Amino acid sequence: EDQVTQSPEALRLQEGESSSLNCSYTVSGLRGLFWYRQDPGKGPEFLFTLYSAGEEKEKERLKATLTKKESFLHITAPKPEDSATYLCAVQAERDSWGKLQFGAGTQVVVTP
Amino acid sequence: SAVISQKPSRDICQRGTSLTIQCQVDSQVTMMFWYRQQPGQSLTLIATANQGSEATYESGFVIDKFPISRPNLTFSTLTVSNMSPEDSSIYLCSVDLDRVRNNEQFFGPGTRLTVL
Repeated sequence: EDQVTQSPEALRLQEGESSSLNCSYTVSGLRGLFWYRQDPGKGPEFLFTLYSAGEEKEKERLKATLTKKESFLHITAPKPEDSATYLCAVQAERDSWGKLQFGAGTQVVVTP
Repeated sequence: SAVISQKPSRDICQRGTSLTIQCQVDSQVTMMFWYRQQPGQSLTLIATANQGSEATYESGFVIDKFPISRPNLTFSTLTVSNMSPEDSSIYLCSVDLDRVRNNEQFFGPGTRLTVL
């Protein structure tokens, strides 16, 4: 059975204190790994799709990397506005398009 | 990206009643998806709604409980039928704009449903 596990569950950072979130997965045939940001009371906001091991993508202070078993979301010099829940999801090749299997998320709080 | 709106944004309903949630997209899309996010949990796919065909439901979800309509390429509805408190969740629709070039899925703001 496919599994997506995110760690830590929660992370409290000082402004400027860089850190990494982990998403480990087990899936037969990965079509893509997705990162989303979700603010309270809102729908997930798309950040990145990664397709193959070794791939990296960046957006502002966020950088996502992918290996064969896990993905990392690095937050460099975070600001309070980076506070959110970060969700990781995988899409398996055998599944229908659109079926994303989500992890439980990492809640990030960045304090000034 | 896509601009996705949902109505209502939230509702409080009595058990045994039904609620229809609307999802509107600002561009034509082939596939729309409905997800559920139960309190404190992550998102789970309910069904895929394709225009012109029956919706495809994931394991654990049935058409009688969650009927879906997809009358055109920009609109879909999800009905939560015969509700119980266990149906209290956030319901989200999402779209996949161009999976061939960019496999990106965008979500609406969600409908927060509370069943008493």
